[in-house]
Amino acid sequence: DAEITQSPRHKITETGRQVTLACHQTWNHNNMFWYRQDLGHGLRLIHYSYGVHDTNKGEVSDGYSVSRSNTEDLPLTLESAASSQTSVYFCASSPRMERDTQYFGPGTRLTVL
Amino acid sequence: LAKTTQPISMDSYEGQEVNITCSHNNIATNDYITWYQQFPSQGPRFIIQGYKTKVTNEVASLFIPADRKSSTLSLPRVSLSDTAVYYCLVGDMKNTGFQKLVFGTGTRLLVSP
Repeated sequence: DAEITQSPRHKITETGRQVTLACHQTWNHNNMFWYRQDLGHGLRLIHYSYGVHDTNKGEVSDGYSVSRSNTEDLPLTLESAASSQTSVYFCASSPRMERDTQYFGPGTRLTVL
Repeated sequence: LAKTTQPISMDSYEGQEVNITCSHNNIATNDYITWYQQFPSQGPRFIIQGYKTKVTNEVASLFIPADRKSSTLSLPRVSLSDTAVYYCLVGDMKNTGFQKLVFGTGTRLLVSP
């Protein structure tokens, strides 16, 4: 069955280190998204992509970057991790023609010490 | 993206019908209404989407009055496994862009035996 996966599921890192979170989907969806979820804030959009080589900033993009070299993957990089980036990160994807319906991965819990 | 207002939490018992109302007073003509469900330690999952009147699927029903300024998600005969956070989203992704997708804090539903 087609799916969306994230790795690692849990990550502990130190302030200042570069961290990359992986997201892989096998639905061949054009659109992919990264969100972070913190208590009291719901989900907030970090970056999104409409297709290969396309990336766009979301609501809370500072300190994060993404690249889209193929349809299946959208890795999220924290260039220099900060304690404020401790959060749960969700990746999602959606087909080009489907209204709003996004399919979410299981999440990555990141702790920055 | 139209701002939405939902109750922070609701309590229910097994076997009861649960109705969660979402207010979206400034909904635009092209906007659709979408509901997602999120279980602890999982990503959100699409439940239902509608534009007007009533939509029903195997999981829930969505009631939208003629003025579309609110909507009600109805969960028939809830079980313990329906304990989750429910998010109401309003928007037309094709025109406004994914950048403005906002989940908010949702409604935390607790179903008790």
